[in-house]
Amino acid sequence: KNEVEQSPQNLTAQEGEFITINCSYSVGISALHWLQQHPGGGIVSLFMLSSGKKKHGRLIATINIQEKHSSLHITASHPRDSAVYICAPADGLTFGKGTHLIIQP
Amino acid sequence: DAGVIQSPRHEVTEMGQEVTLRCKPISGHNSLFWYRQTMMRGLELLIYFNNNVPIDDSGMPEDRFSAKMPNASFSTLKIQPSEPRDSAVYFCASTATGGFTEAFFGQGTRLTVV
Repeated sequence: KNEVEQSPQNLTAQEGEFITINCSYSVGISALHWLQQHPGGGIVSLFMLSSGKKKHGRLIATINIQEKHSSLHITASHPRDSAVYICAPADGLTFGKGTHLIIQP
Repeated sequence: DAGVIQSPRHEVTEMGQEVTLRCKPISGHNSLFWYRQTMMRGLELLIYFNNNVPIDDSGMPEDRFSAKMPNASFSTLKIQPSEPRDSAVYFCASTATGGFTEAFFGQGTRLTVV
């Protein structure tokens, strides 16, 4: 079973700050998802990446397959970025416990 | 397509009652996953199907839980009898390929067993 660890578990920051969320896993994978869940809401897939870096707006995800590590960055954070961010190996079998992000105005 | 549709959105039931959760995957998707989400444990896979066939049900906690996928457009997750510790949000997700690429989640069913 792939052990997936995320850090930090909780993060509160001020609007405009640069945010980094980290994800590490124990078993090699071919790809990894970053998911976003707003309070009381559903889950949406932000990125699926297998190497290097992907960018979507203010969100940037990176992955190092050899080091079994991925990061999600948010530039110029905004209160609407407040959500839980979850990383998941692309087999869909295990998930990180999530990072609860709050961006204060 | 309306996306993955789950019903009901909320369910409150008494301990010992049977509960049935429903999921309609995106048309054309051939993999379907059932997850349970709690504050303590986060998201956990319960079972997944490929082409309507259960592939991995090792996450199903007990015999009280059962899941079926009678056809490509419908799946159910049943709990009988329900217990308070089953209270959680249950998500269904579907993908177009085997595995978890390009996964789409339903809005979830919030189950409360009292």
